[in-house]
Amino acid sequence: DGGITQSPKYLFRKEGQNVTLSCEQNLNHDAMYWYRQDPGQGLRLIYYSQIVNDFQKGDIAEGYSVSREKKESFPLTVTSAQKNPTAFYLCASNRDSGANVLTFGAGSRLTVL
Amino acid sequence: QKEVEQDPGPLSVPEGAIVSLNCTYSNSAFQYFMWYRQYSRKGPELLMYTYSSGNKEDGRFTAQVDKSSKYISLFIRDSQPSDSATYLCARGGGNKLTFGTGTQLKVEL
Repeated sequence: DGGITQSPKYLFRKEGQNVTLSCEQNLNHDAMYWYRQDPGQGLRLIYYSQIVNDFQKGDIAEGYSVSREKKESFPLTVTSAQKNPTAFYLCASNRDSGANVLTFGAGSRLTVL
Repeated sequence: QKEVEQDPGPLSVPEGAIVSLNCTYSNSAFQYFMWYRQYSRKGPELLMYTYSSGNKEDGRFTAQVDKSSKYISLFIRDSQPSDSATYLCARGGGNKLTFGTGTQLKVEL
């Protein structure tokens, strides 16, 4: 079945550590996105990539980094510079480039201890 | 002003009730509007999307867009306990979706 796989589902990290969240899709979608979800704030866009080897900052990119070396993969690194990294992270890909209809993964919950 | 405003709820209704979920948006340039459903600790899943104004129906769900008042609505008929979830509205266009904060719905037996 086609879909988006995010791993790990739950992740704990100590302050000052970088951590990388994995996102893989087999939908053959060109565009991929990372969103962060916090209670009461909805989904906020961190980074997005319309094509391999290219990506753009979203609304809250500070403290995060991404790469897009393969069409299928769009990993997100949460760096130690991110002041409040505890959140639910969602990866998505674009099913319809005109309407931005996104397909989401199941999410990764990051907790900083 | 947020681009997409949505009442966070929670909204609690009895089984079988008609549910009305609403959003407002500020930028009239965008044409696409979506509703996503998100169960607890899961990723959002697309329920419906509409283009421009008008209604779109899919089973028990009806999405409505009123561009003159910048109002987006989702109606759920004959609500079921399995409809208990958070419902996110979004507007599309350009390179990204902009989401509302989500409305938490609970359908009680």
